[in-house]
Amino acid sequence: VQLVQSGAEVRRPGASVILSCKTSGYTFTTYLIHWVRQAPGQGFEWMGLINPNDGGTLYAQHLQGRVTMTKDTPTSTVYMDLESLTFEDTAVYYCLRERSADYWFDPWGQGTQVIVSS
Amino acid sequence: QSALTQPRSVSGSPGQSVTISCTGTRSDVGGYDRVSWYQQAPGAAPKLMIYGVNKRPSGVPDRFSGSKSGNTASLTISGLQAEDEADYYCCSHAGRFFVFGTGTTVTV
Repeated sequence: VQLVQSGAEVRRPGASVILSCKTSGYTFTTYLIHWVRQAPGQGFEWMGLINPNDGGTLYAQHLQGRVTMTKDTPTSTVYMDLESLTFEDTAVYYCLRERSADYWFDPWGQGTQVIVSS
Repeated sequence: QSALTQPRSVSGSPGQSVTISCTGTRSDVGGYDRVSWYQQAPGAAPKLMIYGVNKRPSGVPDRFSGSKSGNTASLTISGLQAEDEADYYCCSHAGRFFVFGTGTTVTV
């Protein structure tokens, strides 16, 4: 089982970024994919999840309206689009796998560094 | 949703035991047996160590154990080894969302 994320990104404030998480080694539609982020020197912040089976999503309340998670079943890939970036969005972003209603994550992707800089 | 509270750091000598606490509320840790723990080595992605409060995935040494009392979950590392030096994070389901702990650095 592998979750392989896209490479590092640098964006200006106000821009948007789309990160990808390509999964392999299991049936794509049978596990939820979550996104979390870790700002420099900080803990993890849960951002939301997508159900690859039906595309259903659930987002953290404070990110509603700025984050969109989508999936592409033929390539077993999940995408996370974050808009209106601010300096506070600088972080390492991780995708994680959860079997529905297990409430734990395994494995995690390798992480994608996003830097928001003017 | 506020982060779960963990001690910033704990330390111990090889062979000793250390316990990391993770304090939340009855809306998260206290309300569900859905606490997991993750180990993060420097520059690496986190690794699942404990799930469902006290269950250990295959491959995780049995010196790692989890428990919960009220709104506080705990991770105990018995027989501390040099390779256990890392950051540890708890995580709890909270109804519809998830909340992580502030993280604890374990020094051996």
